[in-house]
Amino acid sequence: SQQGEEDPQALSIQEGENATMNCSYKTSINNLQWYRQNSGRGLVHLILIRSNEREKHSGRLRVTLDTSKKSSSLLITASRAADTASYFCATNTGGFKTIFGAGTRLFVKA
Amino acid sequence: EAGVAQSPRYKIIEKRQSVAFWCNPISGHATLYWYQQILGQGPKLLIQFQNNGVVDDSQLPKDRFSAERLKGVDSTLKIQPAKLEDSAVYLCASSPRGGVGQETQYFGPGTRLLVL
Repeated sequence: SQQGEEDPQALSIQEGENATMNCSYKTSINNLQWYRQNSGRGLVHLILIRSNEREKHSGRLRVTLDTSKKSSSLLITASRAADTASYFCATNTGGFKTIFGAGTRLFVKA
Repeated sequence: EAGVAQSPRYKIIEKRQSVAFWCNPISGHATLYWYQQILGQGPKLLIQFQNNGVVDDSQLPKDRFSAERLKGVDSTLKIQPAKLEDSAVYLCASSPRGGVGQETQYFGPGTRLLVL
């Protein structure tokens, strides 16, 4: 079963622009994580935000969480060609399992 | 710190053949995960180990898939017999504690399986 759904499915921007990806989920969560996957490589953890947090920053990344709307957003500022990748949100509902969404494919044009 | 190691990186087999994947997690990590990622989709958890024990294998097709984690370290995932729909990337991940509430998972490079 899919808990998180990312939007848009694909995004193409110019280098230097900001990229925003959204994740909506269905049931209450304990935490939500964002991962990045470059072509041909494994997933890399970006940020974990807990249900009692509203915003977190890491370098050029900003994640927000709105538990009332059951949604999260990932903002990448001043994007670079190296940011080209698939981005996944993963939700944990308090049990053992973390469920990944289908991902947003970001393409940053140089 | 060495990351999660997986082998082989690529495997091509014919349907009905058997295949095995190996994973060595980050040293000291208690929890090990196997995911299946079909092209264009997100990873789907197949099985999760906490040390030697299985804590979740609800999405593992047990008629053809098996996994073990001997001595709470390395793990192998086996498919026997393989079907065309098993073509996917098989990702191994580990985390320090895992368990209820989850935490950051560290992923290996994956094994890309093609079943002909």
